[in-house]
Amino acid sequence: NAGVTQTPKFQVLKTGQSMTLQCAQDMNHNSMYWYRQDPGMGLRLIYYSASEGTTDKGEVPNGYNVSRLNKREFSLRLESAAPSQTSVYFCASIPWGSALAAFFGQGTRLTVV
Amino acid sequence: AQSVSQHNHHVILSEAASLELGCNYSYGGTVNLFWYVQYPGQHLQLLLKYFSGDPLVKGIKGFEAEFIKSKFSFNLRKPSVQWSDTAEYFCAAYNQGGKLIFGQGTELSVKP
Repeated sequence: NAGVTQTPKFQVLKTGQSMTLQCAQDMNHNSMYWYRQDPGMGLRLIYYSASEGTTDKGEVPNGYNVSRLNKREFSLRLESAAPSQTSVYFCASIPWGSALAAFFGQGTRLTVV
Repeated sequence: AQSVSQHNHHVILSEAASLELGCNYSYGGTVNLFWYVQYPGQHLQLLLKYFSGDPLVKGIKGFEAEFIKSKFSFNLRKPSVQWSDTAEYFCAAYNQGGKLIFGQGTELSVKP
């Protein structure tokens, strides 16, 4: 049982480049989330998908787009990366209807130079 | 708007000292509350959660938290900390619309 899998684990981008962070969960969870973690800022919600087919903005959505491809997969896209997007990104999933717990991926460390 | 606030950014304690980390949330509706821990280099792990019922909830590793609805608070406590409790602690609130918001985190350093 892999849980929540994120790829890649590390990435270095040049300013203006684009990339997609992938997230997949094998627990049949309905809700999925993307966060960024910065020192002293905690985890800030970028986008979330409460159920398959829906996505909603979180606290810091600017500069990002998401796709809930199916129930398992939720990708995060940076269309034109900026140094301010240097961060550690976490994907999480929760079962629908009851917040038993959020399961987190291992994180993606992204550096934009 | 839903928000979570943690008052202590960095707490330094000696082993065997008691711990209390503050957490306040703002949300008008029903909310579920959590505390997570992140050890260095690792992802977040659930310590405990509150859904309803007894406002005093017990979690793993001797941690507990008390939900005080009138104060919109969910403070984390441990009677006697150990060096291995050194980590960052996050409070989180989940609303029925599916939004899960975290606080800024509190870094705990325990001196042996």
